Amino acid sequence: AQTVTQSQPEMSVQEAETVTLSCTYDTSENNYYLFWYKQPPSRQMILVIRQEAYKQQNATENRFSVNFQKAAKSFSLKISDSQLGDTAMYFCAFMTYNNNDMRFGAGTRLTVKP
Amino acid sequence: DADVTQTPRNRITKTGKRIMLECSQTKGHDRMYWYRQDPGLGLRLIYYSFDVKDINKGEISDGYSVSRQAQAKFSLSLESAIPNQTALYFCATSPGPYSNQPQHFGDGTRLSIL
Repeated sequence: AQTVTQSQPEMSVQEAETVTLSCTYDTSENNYYLFWYKQPPSRQMILVIRQEAYKQQNATENRFSVNFQKAAKSFSLKISDSQLGDTAMYFCAFMTYNNNDMRFGAGTRLTVKP
Repeated sequence: DADVTQTPRNRITKTGKRIMLECSQTKGHDRMYWYRQDPGLGLRLIYYSFDVKDINKGEISDGYSVSRQAQAKFSLSLESAIPNQTALYFCATSPGPYSNQPQHFGDGTRLSIL
């Protein structure tokens, strides 16, 4: 079974600075997908960024980028130029290639301070 | 209108009561899921359904049951609610296998059992 570990329960960052959230996973699959979801206080689950395991290039979406290290099974999220609206819970998620199984980490609560 | 709609948004009830949480979707996805979210544990899968005639247990199905009334509707029942079922519940949908599209979530139902 796949497992996803987020080792930082809480983090904080000053507005306009950069922060990196960590995520590691365990799987015997070779093809899979990885995601970061954001959950603001409104409790919606909002997709931030996705990465296909077969792609070596790290995904980027505006201020959000990932560092995907397949051999190390690591998938960290970097948020540049942090904004107050980035304050949220962030979940790392793993999905099997056949879309049969999606696993989430325990989450990291990020606070952006003015 | 939301693509995935959960009702009710919030519910407070007493131990021993039967509760039904409902989910409907307009995305036309075949696959639907129920998760519960607890602090420090992330999202855990309760049940999932790949079509109307296919229901599968997830990681934590004990104490829950589901019904897939139609492609667009998937309900979760707690036959006799207990306090440790107090949690935030999410419904999600996804397209068929081998799609890189992640699961799409409703806005959640916060359930409190006294």
